[in-house]
Amino acid sequence: EPEVTQTPSHQVTQMGQEVILRCVPISNHLYFYWYRQILGQKVEFLVSFYNNEISEKSEIFDDQFSVERPDGSNFTLKIRSTKLEDSAMYFCASSSSSYLGRGGYTFGSGTRLTVV
Amino acid sequence: EDQVTQSPEALRLQEGESSSLNCSYTVSGLRGLFWYRQDPGKGPEFLFTLYSAGEEKEKERLKATLTKKESFLHITAPKPEDSATYLCAVHQTGANNLFFGTGTRLTVIP
Repeated sequence: EPEVTQTPSHQVTQMGQEVILRCVPISNHLYFYWYRQILGQKVEFLVSFYNNEISEKSEIFDDQFSVERPDGSNFTLKIRSTKLEDSAMYFCASSSSSYLGRGGYTFGSGTRLTVV
Repeated sequence: EDQVTQSPEALRLQEGESSSLNCSYTVSGLRGLFWYRQDPGKGPEFLFTLYSAGEEKEKERLKATLTKKESFLHITAPKPEDSATYLCAVHQTGANNLFFGTGTRLTVIP
């Protein structure tokens, strides 16, 4: 069964450092997303991406965040200057349609980001 | 304000003891309601999508139902491997993202 692959599975970084989280979406999917989940809290939407541009973003996704599809397979989330409150599990997801039909999204297993 | 509220927060069941999880929602326009299962340290795994009041979906020991204000996930004769957090999420009209509830953590004891 096709999977969304995320790397690394765990990243520890110092406050103020830049981090890049990487994702390989399912190959025939066109819509890509980042969500985050702070420990013990709900899954929250960050950004959606289609046709090489951001299609929607939440209030969380401020100027410290950026996304990129640098080639035909990877989808990245960059946090420019990490804060302690950025510590969370970050999930990448992809879908074949903007109409979140039969299967919704397929989520990756996540990257646990710890900012110290 | 749009909201998704799940109850209970945690539920412990004996193996074989059936029960239901609740998801109440208040959104301006519902395109779909989703149920996901999440195991510790993993991403959400899709279970069901429901689109309109009265709709029901089943998969093994799970059955999801939808009304205009809430959805239920019924678990019949659960097994220990059903232990997980069950997440409800709504897809609202005009949005291309999912709005999640905080989940119900289910533990099934052998």
